[in-house]
Amino acid sequence: GQQLNQSPQSMFIQEGEDVSMNCTSSSIFNTWLWYKQDPGEGPVLLIALYKAGELTSNGRLTAQFGITRKDSFLNISASIPSDVGIYFCAGPYNAGNNRKLIWGLGTSLAVNP
Amino acid sequence: EAEVAQSPRYKITEKSQAVAFWCDPISGHATLYWYRQILGQGPELLVQFQDESVVDDSQLPKDRFSAERLKGVDSTLKIQPAELGDSAMYLCASSGQVGSEQYFGPGTRLTVT
Repeated sequence: GQQLNQSPQSMFIQEGEDVSMNCTSSSIFNTWLWYKQDPGEGPVLLIALYKAGELTSNGRLTAQFGITRKDSFLNISASIPSDVGIYFCAGPYNAGNNRKLIWGLGTSLAVNP
Repeated sequence: EAEVAQSPRYKITEKSQAVAFWCDPISGHATLYWYRQILGQGPELLVQFQDESVVDDSQLPKDRFSAERLKGVDSTLKIQPAELGDSAMYLCASSGQVGSEQYFGPGTRLTVT
Protein backbone atom coordinates (compact mmCIF):
# COMPACT_ATOMS: atom_id res chain seq x y z
CA GLY A 1 0.00 0.00 0.00
CA GLN A 2 0.89 3.67 -0.07
CA GLN A 3 3.51 4.74 2.43
CA LEU A 4 5.67 7.82 2.96
CA ASN A 5 9.00 7.39 4.72
CA GLN A 6 10.40 10.40 6.50
CA SER A 7 13.95 10.74 7.75
CA PRO A 8 15.46 11.42 10.07
CA GLN A 9 12.90 10.50 12.69
CA SER A 10 14.28 13.16 15.04
CA MET A 11 16.96 15.82 15.07
CA PHE A 12 18.61 17.80 17.85
CA ILE A 13 20.59 20.78 16.61
CA GLN A 14 22.16 24.00 17.78
CA GLU A 15 20.52 27.32 17.02
CA GLY A 16 21.89 28.77 13.79
CA GLU A 17 22.52 25.40 12.14
CA ASP A 18 20.92 24.39 8.86
CA VAL A 19 18.52 21.43 8.82
CA SER A 20 17.68 18.98 6.08
CA MET A 21 14.99 16.30 6.07
CA ASN A 22 13.42 14.18 3.38
CA CYS A 23 10.41 12.16 2.45
CA THR A 24 10.39 9.19 0.09
CA SER A 25 7.77 6.95 -1.43
CA SER A 26 7.63 3.80 -3.51
CA SER A 27 4.93 5.47 -5.62
CA ILE A 28 4.86 8.57 -7.76
CA PHE A 29 3.20 11.70 -6.42
CA ASN A 30 2.04 14.76 -8.35
CA THR A 31 1.95 16.98 -5.27
CA TRP A 32 4.04 17.15 -2.13
CA LEU A 33 2.95 19.05 0.95
CA TRP A 34 5.07 19.98 3.94
CA TYR A 35 3.44 20.78 7.29
CA LYS A 36 4.75 21.82 10.69
CA GLN A 37 2.96 20.90 13.90
CA ASP A 38 3.64 22.60 17.21
CA PRO A 39 2.80 20.69 20.41
CA GLY A 40 -0.92 20.76 21.09
CA GLU A 41 -1.74 22.50 17.80
CA GLY A 42 -2.95 21.48 14.37
CA PRO A 43 -0.53 21.10 11.42
CA VAL A 44 0.27 24.28 9.52
CA LEU A 45 0.95 24.11 5.80
CA LEU A 46 4.46 25.38 5.06
CA ILE A 47 5.04 24.66 1.39
CA ALA A 48 3.16 22.96 -1.45
CA LEU A 49 5.01 21.53 -4.47
CA TYR A 50 3.30 20.66 -7.76
CA LYS A 51 5.98 19.99 -10.35
CA ALA A 52 8.92 17.59 -10.54
CA GLY A 53 12.16 19.48 -9.96
CA GLU A 54 10.34 22.46 -8.46
CA LEU A 55 12.21 24.37 -5.77
CA THR A 56 10.06 26.61 -3.55
CA SER A 57 11.01 28.84 -0.65
CA ASN A 58 9.05 30.25 2.26
CA GLY A 59 11.34 32.49 4.29
CA ARG A 60 14.13 30.33 5.70
CA LEU A 61 12.43 27.17 4.43
CA THR A 62 13.15 25.64 1.05
CA ALA A 63 11.50 22.52 -0.32
CA GLN A 64 12.17 20.57 -3.47
CA PHE A 65 10.04 18.16 -5.49
CA GLY A 66 12.34 15.31 -6.52
CA ILE A 67 12.90 14.63 -10.22
CA THR A 68 11.74 11.02 -9.85
CA ARG A 69 8.48 12.29 -8.23
CA LYS A 70 9.08 9.77 -5.47
CA ASP A 71 10.77 12.07 -3.02
CA SER A 72 10.87 15.56 -1.57
CA PHE A 73 13.26 17.50 0.62
CA LEU A 74 12.80 20.27 3.16
CA ASN A 75 15.64 22.48 4.29
CA ILE A 76 15.62 25.04 7.07
CA SER A 77 18.44 27.56 7.12
CA ALA A 78 19.81 29.29 10.23
CA SER A 79 17.47 27.50 12.65
CA ILE A 80 15.92 29.39 15.55
CA PRO A 81 14.16 28.10 18.70
CA SER A 82 10.68 28.59 17.23
CA ASP A 83 11.51 26.03 14.52
CA VAL A 84 10.96 23.36 17.16
CA GLY A 85 8.13 21.01 16.25
CA ILE A 86 7.25 18.03 14.11
CA TYR A 87 7.54 18.33 10.34
CA PHE A 88 5.27 16.14 8.25
CA CYS A 89 5.27 15.44 4.55
CA ALA A 90 2.02 14.48 2.86
CA GLY A 91 0.90 13.61 -0.63
CA PRO A 92 -2.51 13.13 -2.25
CA TYR A 93 -3.30 9.81 -3.87
CA ASN A 94 -6.30 8.27 -5.55
CA ALA A 95 -8.39 5.98 -3.35
CA GLY A 96 -11.24 4.67 -5.44
CA ASN A 97 -13.32 7.68 -6.51
CA ASN A 98 -11.73 9.87 -3.88
CA ARG A 99 -8.38 11.54 -3.29
CA LYS A 100 -6.82 11.27 0.13
CA LEU A 101 -3.69 12.53 1.79
CA ILE A 102 -1.12 10.03 2.93
CA TRP A 103 1.18 11.22 5.71
CA GLY A 104 4.71 10.47 6.79
CA LEU A 105 5.37 9.79 10.46
CA GLY A 106 7.13 13.12 10.90
CA THR A 107 10.56 14.46 11.75
CA SER A 108 10.80 15.86 15.26
CA LEU A 109 13.12 18.87 15.48
CA ALA A 110 14.63 20.19 18.69
CA VAL A 111 16.76 23.36 18.68
CA ASN A 112 19.20 24.14 21.45
CA PRO A 113 19.43 27.92 21.97
CA GLU B 1 -6.34 35.51 7.33
CA ALA B 2 -9.05 32.85 7.04
CA GLU B 3 -8.75 30.01 9.52
CA VAL B 4 -10.46 26.76 10.43
CA ALA B 5 -12.17 27.11 13.81
CA GLN B 6 -12.61 24.23 16.24
CA SER B 7 -14.15 23.95 19.67
CA PRO B 8 -13.61 23.02 22.35
CA ARG B 9 -9.81 23.06 22.44
CA TYR B 10 -9.71 20.59 25.30
CA LYS B 11 -12.23 18.07 26.56
CA ILE B 12 -12.04 15.66 29.47
CA THR B 13 -14.80 13.12 29.72
CA GLU B 14 -15.47 9.87 31.49
CA LYS B 15 -15.76 6.66 29.53
CA SER B 16 -19.28 5.81 28.40
CA GLN B 17 -20.19 9.51 28.18
CA ALA B 18 -21.05 11.31 24.95
CA VAL B 19 -18.79 13.99 23.54
CA ALA B 20 -19.11 16.32 20.55
CA PHE B 21 -16.66 18.45 18.61
CA TRP B 22 -17.45 21.34 16.31
CA CYS B 23 -15.63 22.65 13.26
CA ASP B 24 -16.14 25.71 11.06
CA PRO B 25 -14.05 25.48 7.87
CA ILE B 26 -12.55 28.30 5.87
CA SER B 27 -15.34 30.17 4.12
CA GLY B 28 -16.01 28.76 0.67
CA HIS B 29 -14.18 25.47 1.23
CA ALA B 30 -16.43 22.67 0.03
CA THR B 31 -14.34 19.81 1.37
CA LEU B 32 -14.13 19.16 5.11
CA TYR B 33 -12.11 16.46 6.85
CA TRP B 34 -12.07 15.04 10.37
CA TYR B 35 -8.83 13.39 11.47
CA ARG B 36 -7.71 11.63 14.63
CA GLN B 37 -4.09 11.93 15.64
CA ILE B 38 -2.42 9.78 18.27
CA LEU B 39 0.75 11.14 19.83
CA GLY B 40 3.80 10.37 17.70
CA GLN B 41 1.82 9.57 14.57
CA GLY B 42 0.50 11.40 11.56
CA PRO B 43 -3.19 12.30 11.24
CA GLU B 44 -5.59 9.46 10.38
CA LEU B 45 -8.61 10.37 8.26
CA LEU B 46 -11.94 9.55 9.92
CA VAL B 47 -14.43 11.15 7.56
CA GLN B 48 -14.46 13.42 4.53
CA PHE B 49 -17.34 15.63 3.37
CA GLN B 50 -17.90 17.21 -0.01
CA ASP B 51 -20.46 19.91 0.76
CA GLU B 52 -23.04 18.12 2.91
CA SER B 53 -22.31 14.63 1.59
CA VAL B 54 -19.98 12.05 3.08
CA VAL B 55 -17.49 10.90 0.44
CA ASP B 56 -15.33 8.72 2.69
CA ASP B 57 -16.05 7.33 6.13
CA SER B 58 -14.28 4.02 5.69
CA GLN B 59 -12.11 4.55 8.80
CA LEU B 60 -14.88 5.92 11.02
CA PRO B 61 -15.88 3.50 13.83
CA LYS B 62 -19.55 3.80 13.03
CA ASP B 63 -20.75 1.93 16.08
CA ARG B 64 -19.79 4.87 18.26
CA PHE B 65 -18.75 7.76 15.99
CA SER B 66 -21.01 9.94 13.87
CA ALA B 67 -20.41 13.05 11.83
CA GLU B 68 -22.67 15.50 10.09
CA ARG B 69 -22.43 18.61 7.97
CA LEU B 70 -26.09 19.41 7.51
CA LYS B 71 -25.87 22.68 5.58
CA GLY B 72 -22.53 22.01 3.97
CA VAL B 73 -20.72 24.55 6.13
CA ASP B 74 -19.86 23.70 9.74
CA SER B 75 -19.62 20.15 11.01
CA THR B 76 -20.00 18.14 14.21
CA LEU B 77 -18.22 14.94 15.16
CA LYS B 78 -19.76 12.91 17.97
CA ILE B 79 -18.58 9.97 20.02
CA GLN B 80 -21.07 7.95 22.04
CA PRO B 81 -20.10 6.20 24.21
CA ALA B 82 -16.50 7.35 24.62
CA GLU B 83 -13.87 4.72 25.37
CA LEU B 84 -10.43 5.08 26.91
CA GLY B 85 -8.81 4.38 23.55
CA ASP B 86 -10.51 7.43 22.04
CA SER B 87 -8.10 9.74 23.85
CA ALA B 88 -6.36 11.62 21.05
CA MET B 89 -6.22 14.91 19.17
CA TYR B 90 -9.17 15.43 16.84
CA LEU B 91 -8.34 17.66 13.92
CA CYS B 92 -10.59 19.32 11.39
CA ALA B 93 -9.29 20.47 8.02
CA SER B 94 -10.78 22.03 4.91
CA SER B 95 -9.77 22.48 1.32
CA GLY B 96 -11.08 24.30 -1.70
CA GLN B 97 -10.85 21.20 -3.85
CA VAL B 98 -10.61 17.51 -3.15
CA GLY B 99 -6.95 16.49 -3.14
CA SER B 100 -5.56 20.00 -2.87
CA GLU B 101 -3.87 21.61 0.12
CA GLN B 102 -5.68 21.05 3.40
CA TYR B 103 -5.78 23.69 6.10
CA PHE B 104 -6.12 22.56 9.68
CA GLY B 105 -7.78 23.95 12.75
CA PRO B 106 -6.08 23.99 16.16
CA GLY B 107 -7.60 20.65 17.13
CA THR B 108 -9.48 19.31 20.14
CA ARG B 109 -7.47 17.34 22.68
CA LEU B 110 -9.75 14.63 24.09
CA THR B 111 -8.92 12.79 27.28
CA VAL B 112 -11.19 9.93 28.33
CA THR B 113 -10.86 8.85 31.94
